[in-house]
Parts: sequence; C-alpha cells; structure tokens
Amino acid sequence: AQKVTQAQTEISVVEKEDVTLDCVYETRDTTYYLFWYKQPPSGELVFLIRRNSFDEQNEISGRYSWNFQKSTSSFNFTITASQVVDSAVYFCALSGDRSNDYKLSFGAGTTVTVRA
Amino acid sequence: DAGITQSPRHKVTETGTPVTLRCHQTENHRYMYWYRQDPGHGLRLIHYSYGVKDTDKGEVSDGYSVSRSKTEDFLLTLESATSSQTSVYFCAINRGGKETQYFGPGTRLLVL
Repeated sequence: AQKVTQAQTEISVVEKEDVTLDCVYETRDTTYYLFWYKQPPSGELVFLIRRNSFDEQNEISGRYSWNFQKSTSSFNFTITASQVVDSAVYFCALSGDRSNDYKLSFGAGTTVTVRA
Repeated sequence: DAGITQSPRHKVTETGTPVTLRCHQTENHRYMYWYRQDPGHGLRLIHYSYGVKDTDKGEVSDGYSVSRSKTEDFLLTLESATSSQTSVYFCAINRGGKETQYFGPGTRLLVL
C-alpha cells in the first residue's frame, strides 16, 4: 500500500518569506513517481513537478525547488521569496509504475497563505 | 486544461436520485481516472480505466460505478446519491510518458 503524509495542514507567511512544505511517503515499490500539484483558489489542479525513484537530483524552477531524499522517504518543496500568487493548496502525490496502472495516492494537502 | 472537460461543472441533487458525471478527453489517452476531493483527505481514487470497457476499482469505489464505451468518454455514476457523496469530483488522464496525470476542471456535487 502507498501512503503520503503532509503533516502541515496550514502555513501562513508574509510576502518574500521562504516556505517549505514537507512530504513523507511510504511504498514498497522499487519504481515509483513523486509529484507536487498546486490548487489555487479557483480550484483547478496544476501539475508542478514529477520525480522518479531513480533520480534523486534536486530541482529548481524559478522560485520553486524540490528536495528528494530516498533515505528519509521525503520529497519536500520550497518556495523562495513567496508572493501572494503562491497562495494555494499544495498536494504531494505518489504513484507506482505501469504494473500499478499509475494510480495516484495523495497527501491531505497543505494550505499556504501568503500575506502582503 | 483544454484537452479534458467535465460536465456538469456544478450539480445539486436529492438523496436517492441517480447522477452521472462525464469526463471527455480529446487526446486519445488510454488511462482515465475519477477522484473525489474532500477536506482533510486530499484526493482519493474512485475508479479508473485502462482502456475501452476496461475499468477497475479504486480506494473509495462503494456507491459508484463507471463505464467507458469509447476512448474519449469516461462516465461516473452514483446509482443512488447520498449526502456523503457531496464532494468535488475530478477526472484525470495520463499524459507525457504516462506517469503524469493531468486533471479536468472538476465537478461540484451537492447531495441534499
């Protein structure tokens, strides 16, 4: 069984502060994929990043960065110099490979509020 | 996403009535999924399809059925709606190497 835990329910920061979202996962699969999705107040789900289990390189995309550590089963997400537009619910998710039909297991989500 | 549409976008219904939600894709993807989103639970998989007429259950399938008679359409049916099925329902497809799911705009369902 796969499980994703996002222990932080809500985070509130002032604009320009950095914010880190924690994600811890459990799986018995050797091959798996980790994701982050953003859900702004408008409600749609926006794909941010995918990482496969064989690629532990950290990634940076603009103000977003991701830290994948297999040793601690974590895939954390940092927003640097936060902006009001970053206010959203962020979901971490995990899927297996084709043998598992790529089904996603989601964490409960972390609500980020960035105050001006 | 322009490639995935859901209908209706909003629906209010009464307990005991049947409800069908439709997911339509224009990109000929094999895999399609139905999730529900509830506070404190994130998104949970209801049913999914890995081809025409090929479907399987997810984590929270009780009270739901699905059908896929053609590649582009995946229907979710609540045979007899209950208040516990009040939720936001998202359809998703695989794209880009099949590992990544992309989501439709969602359907807000209120069962009174």
